[in-house]
Order: sequence, then structure tokens, then C-alpha cells
Amino acid sequence: AQSVTQPDIHITVSEGASLELRCNYSYGATPYLFWYVQSPGQGLQLLLKYFSGDTLVQGIKGFEAEFKRSQSSFNLRKPSVHWSDAAEYFCAVVSSNDYKLSFGAGTTVTVRA
Amino acid sequence: EAGVAQSPRYKIIEKRQSVAFWCNPISGHATLYWYQQILGQGPKLLIQFQNNGVVDDSQLPKDRFSAERLKGVDSTLKIQPAKLEDSAVYLCASRSPGTGVYEQYFGPGTRLTVT
Repeated sequence: AQSVTQPDIHITVSEGASLELRCNYSYGATPYLFWYVQSPGQGLQLLLKYFSGDTLVQGIKGFEAEFKRSQSSFNLRKPSVHWSDAAEYFCAVVSSNDYKLSFGAGTTVTVRA
Repeated sequence: EAGVAQSPRYKIIEKRQSVAFWCNPISGHATLYWYQQILGQGPKLLIQFQNNGVVDDSQLPKDRFSAERLKGVDSTLKIQPAKLEDSAVYLCASRSPGTGVYEQYFGPGTRLTVT
């Protein structure tokens, strides 16, 4: 069965600084990976996805993620964070057999002025 | 295109009471999911529908939770009776039919507080 680990529970970053959120996955076959963001009181919004091809994927809101098969990682990055990026971020992997989505526990991002 | 709709957005009940949540998926999405998200955790799948049939309900506490999807469109998730540990956000998601379509689209969720 697939699984996702997000090692960082909480990250605090200054506005304008760079951000990197870590994600490690476990899956036997080619993984299909997602990053979702959840703002307070909101549902999950898809930031970006990786299915195949270029290992550096671009998403919405200036986010990007890099797939590294050798490290089983799919880390999310943003060069310069804005106060509106304060939210909870979830990495997820989907099974290509049954399309089931497995989420990590999430990383809460706090942005300080 | 309208997104996944859920109601109510918030609900507070006492333990042992019953509660129901409603979800309207994106038009044409045959697959519908209900997730439970406990504070500090990622969403956990409760039940998956394909049209109006249940595909997977292995994680649904069937002694108190039930769900249906009449006519393969809207869905209702019910808890009866509620326990304190049911306090969570209940998310509905839907997915377009077709092989190789992996994205799920989520509604805003219903935040349930059981006191």
C-alpha cells in the first residue's frame, strides 16, 4: 500500500523568504503525486501534480515541486512567500490501480511579517 | 464549472445525537468520496461511490455511519449516534470518469463539533 510522510509538522517563514516543504512517499510502482493546500476553514485546493515527464513541475500561486525517484521525494518550493501562503499543505500519492488517494499528515506554514 | 458543494459548513451537536451532511459533486463526475479529517491529520477515506454503488466502505464505522448516493449524483453521509471522537471536518470529493484520470476535486467541507 502507498503512504506519504511529511516530516515537518510546522514551519515558520518570514514574508519574502523562500519555502521548502518536504514529502517522502512509499509506493511500489510509478507514483502519481499531488500537493494540496488548505486555508483555514476551506477545502483542499490542488497546487500541482506529477504523473510523468519533467521532474520539475510548476503549479499555481508560484509553487513548484521536484520529483526525485532516487530519494522517493516530492518536495514543494516557493521562492518568495506571501502572507496569504499561510495554510496547511498536504502531499498525497494516488494508486494507479484503484485511484485511491493517500495523504500525509500535513505541514502547517506560518508566515511572519 | 461549478465546484463540489457541501452543506452545512458548520454543525455543532451533542453526543448521541444524529447529523447528516450533504454533497453535490461536479456535474458528470461518476466517482464520489467522503473523507474524515481530524484536526492535525490528513484526510482519511471513509467511503467511495461509483455512480450510485459503493466501491469501498472498508474504513466506514458502519455501526454509526451510513452513506448513500441516490441516482448517482448527490450524496448524504449520516452519523447516528455521534461520539466525541467524530469531531472532524468531513470532506466530499469527486473525480471525473475515465482511465488515467487521477485528480480529485474537493468541496469546502463540513466542520462537525460534538460536545
